[in-house]
Amino acid sequence: SAVISQKPSRDICQRGTSLTIQCQVDSQVTMMFWYRQQPGQSLTLIATANQGSEATYESGFVIDKFPISRPNLTFSTLTVSNMSPEDSSIYLCSVNPGGSLSYGYTFGSGTRLTVV
Amino acid sequence: QKEVEQNSGPLSVPEGAIASLNCTYSDRGSQSFFWYRQYSGKSPELIMFIYSNGDKEDGRFTAQLNKASQYVSLLIRDSQPSDSATYLCAVASSGGSYIPTFGRGTSLIVHP
Repeated sequence: SAVISQKPSRDICQRGTSLTIQCQVDSQVTMMFWYRQQPGQSLTLIATANQGSEATYESGFVIDKFPISRPNLTFSTLTVSNMSPEDSSIYLCSVNPGGSLSYGYTFGSGTRLTVV
Repeated sequence: QKEVEQNSGPLSVPEGAIASLNCTYSDRGSQSFFWYRQYSGKSPELIMFIYSNGDKEDGRFTAQLNKASQYVSLLIRDSQPSDSATYLCAVASSGGSYIPTFGRGTSLIVHP
């Protein structure tokens, strides 16, 4: 299975500012996924990041609010822009190591964001 | 809209008992099914993957899949206090590029 280093682990930010979350994987992966987990809610997919192309965003999420970079096959960033208290959540990156579903999807340790 | 439904719980069982966690899904084309365990403040970790109808056992865990009823369950035998966590059901299909859709999770409490 892959090991994902995600940072920061938590942050408290002022509304109107932006935060960039980084994920580094210890192996090359084609796709990286960004999820949001609000308290008591399921994991909601924000976008899929492919190296060399624009990220694919899910309904309700837009690039201006959540710009994503994927400069190589082991790294991705998610920026939460112009933050409001509604953006307070846990953000997780995820990969499918080896491309086999039997390995499931591995998650980073998460970023707990509080917007004040 | 693909939906994955779980009872949020909490489900409380005594130590040593069998915990039964249930999940239903709306997409009849779903092909792959996952159970994740998430401890408080931690990220989800995969505990079971199943894709064929029937039972799949791994140690104290058994996943049961019934595609006709669109139902997948997780049994935990000899439950331990360390099993106390939230269990997330996730479902994937080729139509969704096999990217899983997650349920809200069931909180399990195993009391001594």
